[in-house]
Amino acid sequence: DIVMTQSPDSVAVSLGERATINCRSSQTILYSSNNKKYLAWYQQKPGQPPKLLIYWASTRESGVPDRFSGSGSGTDFTLTISDLQPEDVAIYYCQQYYSTPPTFGQGTRLEI
Amino acid sequence: QVHLVQSGAEVKKPGSSVRVSCKASGGTFSTYPISWVRQAPGQGIEWMGGIVPSFGAVNYARRFQGRVTMTADKSKTIVYMELSSLKSEDTAVYYCARDQGENTAVAGFNNWFDPWGQGTLVTVSS
Repeated sequence: DIVMTQSPDSVAVSLGERATINCRSSQTILYSSNNKKYLAWYQQKPGQPPKLLIYWASTRESGVPDRFSGSGSGTDFTLTISDLQPEDVAIYYCQQYYSTPPTFGQGTRLEI
Repeated sequence: QVHLVQSGAEVKKPGSSVRVSCKASGGTFSTYPISWVRQAPGQGIEWMGGIVPSFGAVNYARRFQGRVTMTADKSKTIVYMELSSLKSEDTAVYYCARDQGENTAVAGFNNWFDPWGQGTLVTVSS
């Protein structure tokens, strides 16, 4: 199974500032034949299910503010949240879907 | 737009089984896989397996094979997940989620998950 490792486990950022969350896969999740990166990002708030933010490593889901952006290479990926808002307090997870079983990172807690 | 609604919380004894349902409304039900993932208290997210309702094909994670059964009732647009031989470590919130992405023939392969059900807390305690 592909192991997804996020860093840091927890981060505190001031309102209006930028937060950066990293995710590393134990093997490449870039499929060379189509140049697609098989990575998604989710946001989870207390008592709620995860909410899809980004797929294909950098494609924002419809309705997700453009403050959220994703980038990365074959094994190292980043979720950037610009102009941090109070409603961004949550736990963020990455997920690879390159191979089965799909696996998730352990989560990064974002605090203000 | 598909909306997934799960059955209510359950309390089970060790060694027993639990069945959780996930009803889909709106959108297309049968052609997209539905996966089940769980999240133990304060823990991360673990994919358990999934089913393609249109032809009943299942794909289970290795560690749950032999203990999990996923079925679909197309007429009622409901997917079920049954987990047997429950242990205290199975205490978790169980979510259903629709697979989205490249692969509509195999659950949990080349797909991300959206939307998700609201979650069902299963507590295993003697």
